[in-house]
Amino acid sequence: DQQVKQNSPSLSVQEGRISILNCDYTNSMFDYFLWYKKYPAEGPTFLISISSIKDKNEDGRFTVFLNKSAKHLSLHIVPSQPGDSAVYFCAAISGTYKYIFGTGTRLKVLA
Amino acid sequence: SQTIHQWPATLVQPVGSPLSLECTVEGTSNPNLYWYRQAAGRGLQLLFYSVGIGQISSEVPQNLSASRPQDRQFILSSKKLLLSDSGFYLCAWSRALQETQYFGPGTRLLVL
Repeated sequence: DQQVKQNSPSLSVQEGRISILNCDYTNSMFDYFLWYKKYPAEGPTFLISISSIKDKNEDGRFTVFLNKSAKHLSLHIVPSQPGDSAVYFCAAISGTYKYIFGTGTRLKVLA
Repeated sequence: SQTIHQWPATLVQPVGSPLSLECTVEGTSNPNLYWYRQAAGRGLQLLFYSVGIGQISSEVPQNLSASRPQDRQFILSSKKLLLSDSGFYLCAWSRALQETQYFGPGTRLLVL
């Protein structure tokens, strides 16, 4: 049972445009969400997080939006750069230690 | 600053051979440590976590085991590897449970 879903396995975006990566979850008990970025043959790098008491968190070019009623979060990257090309994982945690990861979305930013 | 190391980076092992992957963290004390596996086309699956020396919790039944002989050292082992053990193994640490986890560079394991 996949509690965290990233339904788009891949996404291509032109350099300078906005990249929107989506993530859906099923467990309403999740109270903290994170986005990680992963290059090939490397470990994931933490990007940005959001608590369930907020609906938006911004850090430079990266903004995460949380829609609790829809059980949906998204990561916006503006403007997209070629160096942003990577696999992006969303993760959710409830009141415990355990991260539940999505299967990832491969973003390709075209120069 | 804190850093996390994993080795080896890549490993090719025959079926039935033993395994030992090592993870160490620098720049912090008493970290929470985690082992994940990423199989092809799948998300990251938590295998083990540890809140202290000698304290290991297993998340999924499997052919692997973990040990924490020192505060900042976490080891993933197997006595006999299976083909299905192939994957990308990641170690992570956090200051406390529920806090942000930071990942190491990973070990790619291919069992033939």
